Amino acid sequence: GAGVSQSPSNKVTEKGKDVELRCDPISGHTALYWYRQSLGQGLEFLIYFQGNSAPDKSGLPSDRFSAERTGGSVSTLTIQRTQQEDSAVYLCASSPDGLGQPQHFGDGTRLSIL
Amino acid sequence: QQQVKQSPQSLIVQKGGISIINCAYENTAFDYFPWYQQFPGKGPALLIAIRPDVSEKKEGRFTISFNKSAKQFSLHIMDSQPGDSATYFCAASVGGSNYKLTFGKGTLLTVNP
Repeated sequence: GAGVSQSPSNKVTEKGKDVELRCDPISGHTALYWYRQSLGQGLEFLIYFQGNSAPDKSGLPSDRFSAERTGGSVSTLTIQRTQQEDSAVYLCASSPDGLGQPQHFGDGTRLSIL
Repeated sequence: QQQVKQSPQSLIVQKGGISIINCAYENTAFDYFPWYQQFPGKGPALLIAIRPDVSEKKEGRFTISFNKSAKQFSLHIMDSQPGDSATYFCAASVGGSNYKLTFGKGTLLTVNP
């Protein structure tokens, strides 16, 4: 079966531009997460969607970051007015509903801000 | 505030040796402790996980040891192989695996042939 799919795999853009990153979770998974992986900083939680509940946005670093999940499936992470410190790998994960089920990660989008 | 501290940052082991990576946490509400393995250019993949009601869990060559009173847990890789060379992350969450994870900063493991 297909795993978590993220696109694009690489994105290079100029400072100040807006970017959209896409995540297709595993079919049937109700939970979806976005993390950011910066060099030497490990993975940092950004946002969490669970079914129809209000998302947990507590990890978003600024109001330039937003995310949505349409129809309980595909999610888009948007970064407005990108800054150089936004350069990182953005990882998406999904998991089935319920406890004891692990998160499955995609291979990420490597974002470079020039 | 770093809630999960991981050490060492890097580790070099000879083939057949034991690799040991340690993590310490601060939040006593954490109740799920997974380890992830990540190869270059790939997303992290769950390796093994433990809950605080047990002190040790073994899956093949991989063992998690958990010390609740010390708020520490560690990953042991027995008979380390060159194919184990990767970055390893410990993590923790409150409310089980189906919620946001707090990660350590990772350990780059190199297993020499």
